[in-house]
Amino acid sequence: QIQLVQSGPELKKPGESLKISCKASGYTFTDYAMQWVKQAPGKGLQYMGWINTQTGKPTYADDFKERFVFSLETSASTAYLQINNLKNEDTATYFCARELGRSDYWGQGVMVTVSS
Amino acid sequence: DIQMTQSPPSLSASLGDKVTITCQASQNINKYIAWYQQKPGKAPRLLIRYTSTLESGTPSRFSGSGSGRDYSFSISNVESEDIASYYCLQYVNLPYTFGAGTKLELK
Repeated sequence: QIQLVQSGPELKKPGESLKISCKASGYTFTDYAMQWVKQAPGKGLQYMGWINTQTGKPTYADDFKERFVFSLETSASTAYLQINNLKNEDTATYFCARELGRSDYWGQGVMVTVSS
Repeated sequence: DIQMTQSPPSLSASLGDKVTITCQASQNINKYIAWYQQKPGKAPRLLIRYTSTLESGTPSRFSGSGSGRDYSFSISNVESEDIASYYCLQYVNLPYTFGAGTKLELK
């Protein structure tokens, strides 16, 4: 069956970086783009952008054009979200998802806490 | 970018009630709207895509309608398992955008 399995929770200090993984299984990884969604504590869902899994080209929503990097390790069917120069407002759960709006495959989410 | 204005932010309903949530897009989204349910600590679950197509496993008490810029999502005969937050998503144009969400509570 199709699964997206994300890495574990993270506790970081402001200014640090982190890299979250999203490992796909049960389908051909390069057949579908991977999308990322942020949810701050008690807040709504925010679309971060997507990465073309065939070309590796990322596209970012306006709020995520700085400090955020989408990447791939295609041989491992894994997508990554890197956040540089972490800020307190990056405290959130980050989801990877396949085909938002068209199908229902999500990672379980990674809770990231940024605190000094 | 397309903005999605979702209302109301919260709803209080009794079991068996019918509730309706609306989303208005800042431009025509050609029915490319989906509705998600999210329970605390869980990933969202897709209930309806392309305005009114129920996903496999979505109970028939859920429905969606609309066209152009204006869309609605309804739950008839609210059940206790429906207590959750609901979000609309436009996926006609990148970047996709979510509505701000509606929290459904029991009266």
